[in-house]
Amino acid sequence: KNQVEQSPQSLIILEGKNCTLQCNYTVSPFSNLRWYKQDTGRGPVSLTIMTFSENTKSNGRYTATLDADTKQSSLHITASQLSDSASYICVVSSSNYQLIWGAGTKLIIKP
Amino acid sequence: EAGVTQFPSHSVIEKGQTVTLRCDPISGHDNLYWYRRVMGKEIKFLLHFVKESKQDESGMPNNRFLAERTGGTYSTLKVQPAELEDSGVYFCASSQVAGASYNEQFFGPGTRLTVL
Repeated sequence: KNQVEQSPQSLIILEGKNCTLQCNYTVSPFSNLRWYKQDTGRGPVSLTIMTFSENTKSNGRYTATLDADTKQSSLHITASQLSDSASYICVVSSSNYQLIWGAGTKLIIKP
Repeated sequence: EAGVTQFPSHSVIEKGQTVTLRCDPISGHDNLYWYRRVMGKEIKFLLHFVKESKQDESGMPNNRFLAERTGGTYSTLKVQPAELEDSGVYFCASSQVAGASYNEQFFGPGTRLTVL
């Protein structure tokens, strides 16, 4: 069964600190892996998209890694800001359009 | 350039009533998708349009849900009759021509549906 699991479920850190969110997937065939940020009351916004051959991809303070052998991905946030408070969702595509979503990690940044 | 818009932002209806959600994709995007997030669960795919045609509707939960995209522009998702378990947030997304390697999807803000 195609599944995407994320950990932790929620995380609270102090402003300025770094954090890493985890994603494990059992999706086959694999096309690409995406990380989305979703603010409360808003739609998801794409942070990174990685294909099988990409090990790491950065978008500002966000760096995603992908290990296609172990089917694991991580999202590292550097020097967190209050505006980083949101849900971060790992999504795996098994074809060109169908997306399989994780439940998300709720991140809270405290001043 | 305007993003994906959805209307209404929030709808509260009683069980057995009908509700129609609307999505306006980004202009020029042939692909339009509907997703749903029910309370405490992950977002799930409902269906995918390419222009006015249904490419994949494998995620539609049952025949109480009807999606249309007449003319290949905006889309509507009708729930008739609504049940309590239909409550959730309905997201719409659009992307450019299918076949792009990433086929990045741009999401609307969602419609929160509450069925009482």
